[in-house]
Amino acid sequence: GAVVSQHPSWVICKSGTSVKIECRSLDFQATTMFWYRQFPKQSLMLMATSNEGSKATYEQGVEKDKFLINHASLTLSTLTVTSAHPEDSSFYICSARDLAGVGEQYFGPGTRLTVT
Amino acid sequence: QQQVKQSPQSLIVQKGGISIINCAYENTAFDYFPWYQQFPGKGPALLIAIRPDVSEKKEGRFTISFNKSAKQFSLHIMDSQPGDSATYFCAPQGGSEKLVFGKGTKLTVNP
Repeated sequence: GAVVSQHPSWVICKSGTSVKIECRSLDFQATTMFWYRQFPKQSLMLMATSNEGSKATYEQGVEKDKFLINHASLTLSTLTVTSAHPEDSSFYICSARDLAGVGEQYFGPGTRLTVT
Repeated sequence: QQQVKQSPQSLIVQKGGISIINCAYENTAFDYFPWYQQFPGKGPALLIAIRPDVSEKKEGRFTISFNKSAKQFSLHIMDSQPGDSATYFCAPQGGSEKLVFGKGTKLTVNP
């Protein structure tokens, strides 16, 4: 149990285009999901907290107009990187909090974004 | 202000040895203390976690030791195996739902 999926697992896009990443909790409901980015050999950096049915809360320094987050259902959150640039190339990881348990966070497998 | 200090940055252990990774924190509001394991190109996976009402938790070869007064908790991997080679993160949580990640420890277990 407690499986979180992400799609796509990797994506290459051209500079100036937008790309959407999906995060799904497959066997539990998650009113809260989190989006992280991770650079090579570094720790995870929280970008935003996504709550079902409400606006996401962004961490300081994260551009909300560039990283659009939508949490439309209890099992799906999406991150859209708008007008992507090479510096947005990174490993994006989502996690979902299992309310039915004691609040553990389960992570997706990550999405590798490369902007050319 | 760094809320979580994880050490060492890297660790090399022989197969069958004990791996020990430490995490020191400052925020006394933390009430959930997990360790995550991450393999290259994958998302982190919850390995083991502890609440502050107990001082130790063991699951198979993995043990968390928790010292509330010292504001420290550690991960012990007994009988370390090459398959344990990964990056380990402590990520305490409290109050808000956010995990506060340490910088990670790259563990290499030599055969």
